[in-house]
Amino acid sequence: GEDVEQSLFLSVREGDSSVINCTYTDSSSTYLYWYKQEPGAGLQLLTYIFSNMDMKQDQRLTVLLNKKDKHLSLRIADTQTGDSAIYFCAEYETGRRALTFGSGTRLQVQP
Amino acid sequence: EPEVTQTPSHQVTQMGQEVILRCVPISNHLYFYWYRQILGQKVEFLVSFYNNEISEKSEIFDDQFSVERPDGSNFTLKIRSTKLEDSAMYFCASSGVSHERETQYFGPGTRLLVL
Repeated sequence: GEDVEQSLFLSVREGDSSVINCTYTDSSSTYLYWYKQEPGAGLQLLTYIFSNMDMKQDQRLTVLLNKKDKHLSLRIADTQTGDSAIYFCAEYETGRRALTFGSGTRLQVQP
Repeated sequence: EPEVTQTPSHQVTQMGQEVILRCVPISNHLYFYWYRQILGQKVEFLVSFYNNEISEKSEIFDDQFSVERPDGSNFTLKIRSTKLEDSAMYFCASSGVSHERETQYFGPGTRLLVL
């Protein structure tokens, strides 16, 4: 079945850029998403990219998609302590109308 | 900004008891979903619902689970006879129409603990 993989942990200093990586297996994915989960909270939609795009920028967030390698990344510019959270990559399975999530990357921002 | 809401935020129940988790999707959305996240594991798809019937369900969604849209605003997940392994965070989500129909917005979740 479909699978989405992420590294588990990333630590950066405040003001630096963070890059969170994700690989996926379903070549027919139409949309790929990034969600943010703060402690004890739900899944907040951050951004998404349509599969025919290579890049999408939204304020401090930049999403890069390499469809050939099935690789997705989320870059957060000028990372702040409030960005500390778990970031989930998810692919949309068109046939099932379901999201398949990665295991999440815990981003720790050091002051 | 419209959001998905869920009640209760926490639920503790005894094994074998029935629980009903409630969700109010975003008002003009037509597609509704339940996902769960067992502690330390991935968020997993349970079921999708459209036009008053189940569209898709995963292998997790067995006969112990059911969903219902009892009125124009609520969307519920019922677990008939809870098991210890049903302990998890349950997320409701909804999505809209046309180009937004694939984008799912999640509620804050209900943390279910089965003792």
